Amino acid sequence: DGGITQSPKYLFRKEGQNVTLSCEQNLNHDAMYWYRQDPGQGLRLIYYSQIVNDFQKGDIAEGYSVSREKKESFPLTVTSAQKNPTAFYLCASSLQQGWAFFGQGTRLTVV
Amino acid sequence: GQQLNQSPQSMFIQEGEDVSMNCTSSSIFNTWLWYKQDPGEGPVLLIALYKAGELTSNGRLTAQFGITRKDSFLNISASIPSDVGIYFCAGEGSARQLTFGSGTQLTVLP
Repeated sequence: DGGITQSPKYLFRKEGQNVTLSCEQNLNHDAMYWYRQDPGQGLRLIYYSQIVNDFQKGDIAEGYSVSREKKESFPLTVTSAQKNPTAFYLCASSLQQGWAFFGQGTRLTVV
Repeated sequence: GQQLNQSPQSMFIQEGEDVSMNCTSSSIFNTWLWYKQDPGEGPVLLIALYKAGELTSNGRLTAQFGITRKDSFLNISASIPSDVGIYFCAGEGSARQLTFGSGTQLTVLP
């Protein structure tokens, strides 16, 4: 079945560590996105990519990095520079106007 | 960045009642979307609106794209327990970026 898969579902990070969240889609979508969700808040855009080997910063890119080496994959690295990384991270992809499909999310907790 | 104001922030309703929520923006959007999110899951698209004035239904859900292109509402008729969740509006502006509202937490009481 076509879809968008995020892994892992739960991730624990020690202070000062970098961690990478995986996002893979087999929908043949050109555009992919990373959002951060905090309790009681909407989704905030971290990074997005409209084509392979190209990506742009969203509203809260500081402390995060991404790559887009393949159309299917858009991994997000949460670096040690991100001071408050505990959140729910959502990856999405889209082909046409407005139709963004979301993965199941990764809940990152700093321990 | 663009701002979306979504209201109400939360709602408690009796099963069988109708529900209405809305979003307003200071900017014009080309597309309005409504999503539902269950706890611990990603949002699922409910309705997409592409033209000002458009009124679209999906089962018990009805949404409208405001004439000014700066607002949208979502109605749910005859609510049922599985309607519980967080409902988000989202507007698509330039560069195919989505701006999300802060969500409406819906609780349906038996």
